[in-house]
Amino acid sequence: GESVGLHLPTLSVQEGDNSIINCAYSNSASDYFIWYKQESGKGPQFIIDIRSNMDKRQGQRVTVLLNKTVKHLSLQIAATQPGDSAVYFCAEILNAGNMLTFGGGTRLMVKP
Amino acid sequence: GAVVSQHPSRVICKSGTSVKIECRSLDFQATTMFWYRQFPKQSLMLMATSNEGSKATYEQGVEKDKFLINHASLTLSTLTVTSAHPEDSSFYICSAPQGGEKLFFGSGTQLSVL
Repeated sequence: GESVGLHLPTLSVQEGDNSIINCAYSNSASDYFIWYKQESGKGPQFIIDIRSNMDKRQGQRVTVLLNKTVKHLSLQIAATQPGDSAVYFCAEILNAGNMLTFGGGTRLMVKP
Repeated sequence: GAVVSQHPSRVICKSGTSVKIECRSLDFQATTMFWYRQFPKQSLMLMATSNEGSKATYEQGVEKDKFLINHASLTLSTLTVTSAHPEDSSFYICSAPQGGEKLFFGSGTQLSVL
């Protein structure tokens, strides 16, 4: 898999508000999806995952929604905090073959 | 979660020198590891797949003689940037899958070639 080198879009939210980050994936046969958070100068950090047989999964303050009909994935962050400021990537895996394809990423900026 | 250690975190070198970056899975074995490159404000780009005991698989456009990969053990993969030039300056990240699918990433290496 490979990702395209695109300049990242930015989402700016107020501290305490909910954030929604969207991602469109490419392969309808992908069966596993992951959201990663990457802070400046660091490697991506696993946030939450979801399998294709589910349409929603909740974690601590985060929820991932999967719409296979339109090949769309979203990450919802409740009560966004300054520490949530980072770049968020979605990734899709096809058939558990570890072929990980990253979406372009979204930069989340949280205003105090 | 699983830990992937990447070293060094930052390298500054002169043009023409070679730089080795190490990626270790600390509490699990990884027969496969992945190397990525990331330019500022851009997404990760997969460079190659490192396979323990066999040759690495390179993505299209990535020079295998420029970016040497060695996966000598089940816990260590190395990426050597040979004869580095300023255009090789970038953030390099490795990852390793644990439990079949879930990928864990190293902390990245910022390479600056003068």
